[in-house]
Amino acid sequence: EVQLVESGGGLVQPGGSLRLSCAASGFTFSDNYMNWVRQAPGKGLEWVGLIRNKGASYSTIYAASVKGRFTISRDDSENSVFLQMNSLKTEDTAIYYCARDFWYKLDYWGQGALVTVSS
Amino acid sequence: EIVLTQSPGTLSLSPGERATLSCRASQIVSSSFLAWYQQKLGQAPRLLIYGASTRATGIPDRFSGSGSGTDFTLTISRLEPEDFALYYCQQYDTSLPRFTFGQGTKLEI
Repeated sequence: EVQLVESGGGLVQPGGSLRLSCAASGFTFSDNYMNWVRQAPGKGLEWVGLIRNKGASYSTIYAASVKGRFTISRDDSENSVFLQMNSLKTEDTAIYYCARDFWYKLDYWGQGALVTVSS
Repeated sequence: EIVLTQSPGTLSLSPGERATLSCRASQIVSSSFLAWYQQKLGQAPRLLIYGASTRATGIPDRFSGSGSGTDFTLTISRLEPEDFALYYCQQYDTSLPRFTFGQGTKLEI
C-alpha cells in the first residue's frame, strides 16, 4: 500500500524558516518524481514545486511564488522528500501536501501538514 | 502560462442526478496531461481521471472524463451521496514545466 506521511508543520513567525518532511512507503521511491502542493485556508490547490529522480539529476522546479525561498530535496536511502521553507510570509500559511508524480499526474497524496505563518 | 477556468463555481444537484463539470484552458492543452481530482472536506485530494478520460484505480465507472484542446468535462452519471465534494482539474505544461490547477467546482446537495 502506498503511503505518504508529512511531518514538521507548525507555527512560525514571518521571516522564519521551517522544514517539512514526507516519508514514503509502498513503492520504489527512488524511481519517482515527487511534488509539493499547498492549499491556503478556504482556497484552492497551488503547486509548489517538484524534484526529479536520480536519472534526471535530482533537478528541481519551483512555482514563481516560492522560487528563491523554498528548496526541495530528497534522500532516497530514507525514502523521504523535504521542503525547506525560508523567509516565510503570512501568505505561505497553508496545508502542504507531498504527492507522487507518476507520468505527470499526482496519483498519491499525503494527509498534509499545516504551516501557519503569524506573529 | 496556461490558466484553467472551471465552471460552474458551485453546482447544486440531488443524489441520482447527472453532474457535468467544465474545465476550460487558456491555450491548447495536451489531453495526456489533463487530470481531475476530488477533495472531500478535511481530506487530501484524490486522483479521479488522468489523460483526460482514463479512470484512476478504484474509481467507479459513474465518473467519466472527456474533451480535448481547450475544453474538458468531468461527468458523474448518477450522483451518490459521497460524490458531493470539491473537484479540481489540473494540467502539466511541458514547456515551462509546471503543474496548474483550476480554481475548483463545489458540488453540493
